Amino acid sequence: DAVMTQSPLSLPVTLGQPASISCRSSQSLVYSDGNTYLNWFQQRPGQSPRRLIYNLSNRDSGVPDRFSGSGSGTDFTLKISRVEAEDVGVYYCMQHTHWPHTFGQGTKLEI
Amino acid sequence: EVQLVESGGGLVQPGGSLRLSCAASGFTFSSFWMGWVRQAPGKGLEWVAHINKDGSAVYYVDSVKGRFTISRDNAQKSLHLKINSLRVEETAVYYCESDGGRQWGQGTLVTVSS
Repeated sequence: DAVMTQSPLSLPVTLGQPASISCRSSQSLVYSDGNTYLNWFQQRPGQSPRRLIYNLSNRDSGVPDRFSGSGSGTDFTLKISRVEAEDVGVYYCMQHTHWPHTFGQGTKLEI
Repeated sequence: EVQLVESGGGLVQPGGSLRLSCAASGFTFSSFWMGWVRQAPGKGLEWVAHINKDGSAVYYVDSVKGRFTISRDNAQKSLHLKINSLRVEETAVYYCESDGGRQWGQGTLVTVSS
């Protein structure tokens, strides 16, 4: 299985400052079609997860452009250019290149 | 408006069974892969199962193989998860999701306890 390792697990941030979350996979996430099937999710307290980024770097509809995804192969990053209060929650990376699909442990972002 | 609404959760004894359902609306259900993801209390997300558009291919995490069965009814726009031989550690909120996590339901709580 592709093991997804996120860091840090806890991320204290200051409003208006940037934030970055790392996600590493135990296997390359490049599929045979050349795509990298790595998604990022946000889960606010008491809510269902919400997808922010799909297939490495594509922002979902309605997601603010302060969120961006990047990386390649086995190393990936979610960046928030300027943290806002509504960004508080837990962030997960998830790979769907290999079966079974697997999530990272989650990174708790707090102000 | 796209909606996924789960049902069927509840309290069940260890070794018991449940059938979870997910009713979809607001999108062309038959055009998307669907899946189940669970979250134990205070824990992270765990992918459980997936099914392709016409139900001809299914995938499971190893820990549930042989006990969980995912299925879909495209005419009724519904997704199901039959869960047998439940274990205490499988107490969790079970979410249905579509299209690689683009849409999620609100979840249904399954509590396994004697």
